[in-house]
Amino acid sequence: QLQLQESGPGLVKPSETLSLTCTVSGASISSSSYYWGWIRQPPGKGLEWIGSIYNTGTTYYNPSLKSRVTIYVDTSQNQFSLKLSSVTAADTAVYYCARRVYGGPIDSWGQGALVTVSS
Amino acid sequence: DIQMTQSPSSLSASVGDRVTITCRASQGISNYLAWFQQKPGKAPKSLIYSASSLQSGVPSKFSGSGSGTDFTLTISSLQPEDFATYYCQQYYSLPLTFGGGTKVEIK
Repeated sequence: QLQLQESGPGLVKPSETLSLTCTVSGASISSSSYYWGWIRQPPGKGLEWIGSIYNTGTTYYNPSLKSRVTIYVDTSQNQFSLKLSSVTAADTAVYYCARRVYGGPIDSWGQGALVTVSS
Repeated sequence: DIQMTQSPSSLSASVGDRVTITCRASQGISNYLAWFQQKPGKAPKSLIYSASSLQSGVPSKFSGSGSGTDFTLTISSLQPEDFATYYCQQYYSLPLTFGGGTKVEIK
């Protein structure tokens, strides 16, 4: 059974870098059938796609965040990670990792990790 | 970016009611549309993909329709566990974009 689990600091200071890791069990992130990505949701607000990575290492980022985002994989650990630099209070959100079918929809989500940006 | 507009933003309904939520895309997206259900404090759950196909394990009281720019999600007989927020999302082109959500509340 597929499981995705986010981990990382729940509190980040303004101007610093937010770092989260998603550990995948029940599937290989090296599979050519899926993308692996991140979506966030500010408190009380809607969903925003951050970006995705494919098994070739090709990344796709939301243009609104592209200058600050890096997504990368660690196949040895079956994990993928998110880095978001120069954070502000506007980056406070629940961050979800998710799997997307190649050429298709998102079909699985992690439980989410709340990250608060505050000094 | 493709803008996704949902209506209504919220609705009140009773157990047993038939509920319909609308999603409109700012440009044609064929049938590259998904619907998600989110309960408070929980991750979204995938309900429908390709506008009308049910994800595995999703009850048949949920149905989706539409193509091009206009889509609907219908819950045939609302049950207590269906009170939640519903989001549409297009995967026709990047960036992936979501509708603003429709909160279904108990009347």
